[in-house]
Amino acid sequence: AQKITQTQPGMFVQEKEAVTLDCTYDTSDQSYGLFWYKQPSSGEMIFLIYQGSYDEQNATEGRYSLNFQKARKSANLVISASQLGDSAMYFCAMREGTGANSKLTFGKGITLSVRP
Amino acid sequence: KAGVTQTPRYLIKTRGQQVTLSCSPISGHRSVSWYQQTPGQGLQFLFEYFSETQRNKGNFPGRFSGRQFSNSRSEMNVSTLELGDSALYLCASSLPLGGYGYTFGSGTRLTVV
Repeated sequence: AQKITQTQPGMFVQEKEAVTLDCTYDTSDQSYGLFWYKQPSSGEMIFLIYQGSYDEQNATEGRYSLNFQKARKSANLVISASQLGDSAMYFCAMREGTGANSKLTFGKGITLSVRP
Repeated sequence: KAGVTQTPRYLIKTRGQQVTLSCSPISGHRSVSWYQQTPGQGLQFLFEYFSETQRNKGNFPGRFSGRQFSNSRSEMNVSTLELGDSALYLCASSLPLGGYGYTFGSGTRLTVV
């Protein structure tokens, strides 16, 4: 079974509007972390936001917020006031385990295009 | 402070050759992990090094190897290159327990012809 599922096809959003990128995950661990990364065409993976499994509040970082619904195992990224520079691939990732066994597992990614 | 530095940025190799990629982590980060990104398979974990020891390995053949030096810089090596090894190779540095996040470099884009 896939650990991280991102099923949306390419997403389009009008500049200055908000957009939600979906992510569901599957784990039996009690302690895990969820990440969102942005990858522009240059290839670099840019960290956006992190949510720990024990965090009770949804994470926020500027225009980015993470809608964490633990019971549903979803961790959707919300981008408010979209900008043209937000056009990129977006990856949801999960870290399971700690120490020697920890690694990131990525979803397939979602392409976001911001229209002027 | 300086980010994660990967060299070279682009590389073209011939089938059967070997290649070495380099990754310099953020100062103070002692954990370096490597990922392969292809259009078909997406991002896949290769291995992770901490304190010069490989402590986690993904499901890749033995042609893929790596090492870490005492200054935390890491190299990965791919021997007997195959066309399917063409990919973007990303390294990430982090605090020992993965911590708050993994900081990625810009990647090395390897093309095997």
